[in-house]
Parts: sequence; structure tokens; C-alpha cells
Amino acid sequence: DAGVTQSPTHLIKTRGQQVTLRCSPKSGHDTVSWYQQALGQGPQFIFQYYEEEERQRGNFPDRFSGHQFPNYSSELNVNALLLGDSALYLCASSPRPSDTQYFGPGTRLTVL
Amino acid sequence: DQQVKQNSPSLSVQEGRISILNCDYTNSMFDYFLWYKKYPAEGPTFLISISSIKDKNEDGRFTVFLNKSAKHLSLHIVPSQPGDSAVYFCAATIYGQNFVFGPGTRLSVLP
Repeated sequence: DAGVTQSPTHLIKTRGQQVTLRCSPKSGHDTVSWYQQALGQGPQFIFQYYEEEERQRGNFPDRFSGHQFPNYSSELNVNALLLGDSALYLCASSPRPSDTQYFGPGTRLTVL
Repeated sequence: DQQVKQNSPSLSVQEGRISILNCDYTNSMFDYFLWYKKYPAEGPTFLISISSIKDKNEDGRFTVFLNKSAKHLSLHIVPSQPGDSAVYFCAATIYGQNFVFGPGTRLSVLP
């Protein structure tokens, strides 16, 4: 049974560019949440998708947007990248929105 | 404003002894708490959770204690093993919304 998978593993972008990160949830899970983890900090909640809609959102600007597809996979898009967007981006899935979340390995984004 | 705090950035424990990781929170509305473990180059792995209506939950070597009046929870690992060496995150949520994580504590279990 495959767990949560994320792609790519690493990514290097320059300021002002746009990036798309991808996530496939654990089998049987229909809810996907995205987190940003800066160095030395805990994961910070970005938003959660359920039934192809954004259900909850943390304190992140509109430059951060997402999408969920009918097969429950999800994308995180970040526009107009800033140096401060450099972080580990984690995807987590759960059977339902309020259930315990299971994390993927993350995508390491570096903005130069 | 950090709603979930883990004031010890690191902790070293001898193999076989007890590891105690602490977490404090400020929002009295939190009703569910979780502990995650993270190895390098991997995502956080769920360990154990506790509802605010309980004060203790046990799963094998792992026990979580919740003191609501002090807004404090702790994770006890007995006995500690070298494979337990990882970063441990405390997380809290209200009705399963917007999980809030602490900054983590790095546990080193020495052989």
C-alpha cells in the first residue's frame, strides 16, 4: 500500500518564478493538506483540499494556491517566488478532513 | 504568536532510560493533540494522539499525558532505543481544523 508521494524531491527556482508541487494521497484518503516547514521550525499549515475544494486556509498570501483533482491528488502552486519561500513543502493526507494526517517525504524548494 | 511551544530544542537520553518530551500550548480551545516523529529526509510520522477529554493515552512504549489546567502535554518513551533518535513534533487542533505544530525537539538516544 503506497503512502503519500510527492514530486519532485528537490527544486531550485529564482525569485519571481512560479512553481508547481505535486502530491498523491495515501490509498483510501480523499483529503489533502499542504504545509511549509522552514529550517528549524515546525510545519505551518497552508491549506486543505477536500472534494476538490479548498476547505481551510492558514495565514499564507494569495501567491499560494492549490488544486485537487478527481482522483484526490493535489497540486500546490506558488507565484512570484520570494527568497523566504525556500522551505520543505509537505503534503499530508487523511481519510476525512478532521482525521489524523499522514505525511509524504516533502519537496525541498530553494529560491535563489 | 506561537500557540504550540516546545521549549527544549534538544534532548539526550541513555538507551534503556525514559525520554520525556514536553509541549505547552496557549489556546484553551485546542481539543485534540498529536505527536509526530521525523527522521531526516522523511516526512513526519504519526506516533500517538490524545483527546482533551482524556489525561493519558498509551501505545506500547509511548505514553502521552495531558494536563489541561496547565496547558501542558508530554510524551514518555520507555525504554528509549537508538532508533527513537529523531525530531519530535507536538501538534494541536480544534475540531480537526488547521493543525498547529510546535518547533520540534531533537531526541538523541545514546547507546
